[in-house]
Amino acid sequence: ELKVEQNPLFLSMQEGKNYTIYCNYSTTSDRLYWYRQDPGKSLESLFVLLSNGAVKQEGRLMASLDTKARLSTLHITAAVHDLSATYFCAVEGSGGGADGLTFGKGTHLIIQP
Amino acid sequence: DAGVIQSPRHEVTEMGQEVTLRCKPISGHNSLFWYRQTMMRGLELLIYFNNNVPIDDSGMPEDRFSAKMPNASFSTLKIQPSEPRDSAVYFCASSWDSGGTDTQYFGPGTRLTVL
Repeated sequence: ELKVEQNPLFLSMQEGKNYTIYCNYSTTSDRLYWYRQDPGKSLESLFVLLSNGAVKQEGRLMASLDTKARLSTLHITAAVHDLSATYFCAVEGSGGGADGLTFGKGTHLIIQP
Repeated sequence: DAGVIQSPRHEVTEMGQEVTLRCKPISGHNSLFWYRQTMMRGLELLIYFNNNVPIDDSGMPEDRFSAKMPNASFSTLKIQPSEPRDSAVYFCASSWDSGGTDTQYFGPGTRLTVL
């Protein structure tokens, strides 16, 4: 059974600071996803990581993947209040083709002025 | 593009009633997924379809839950009879299975409350 663990589950930080969210998964997977969810809203895709060593950046967010360690990180640089949200990592099964996602519990991020 | 469309957005019903949730995937997408989100269990995959065929329904909690995809542009998730523990936000997502970066795009969700 594929398991996905995120930490921390809750993070309060100040604007301007840097921080990293970690995502560990238990078995081999083809793809790893990061999503953002605002309160009461749907999930918004941030990144899809396909291969070992993959790194993607969008604005103040950067995601990386180490398939050997089964670890992905989401790094926040110089945080701003607008980045406050819940961030989920999700892993797709290795069955080939489209597959359902197994989600972590999410990291609830609050960025204070 | 209109994105994934779900209806209704909110549903309040009484225990024992039948509930039907509807989803229209993004045009051209060939994979469709149903997820459920609760505070206690987080986001869970219920079932997914590829080219209208159910591939994995191992996440469907009980026989009270059923899902269909009669064509490429429509899917339903039915709960009969509903129970209070079914209260959750139900999301539909779709993707294009190209073997590459197949991002799953989520609909706005249906918030179900069973009294």
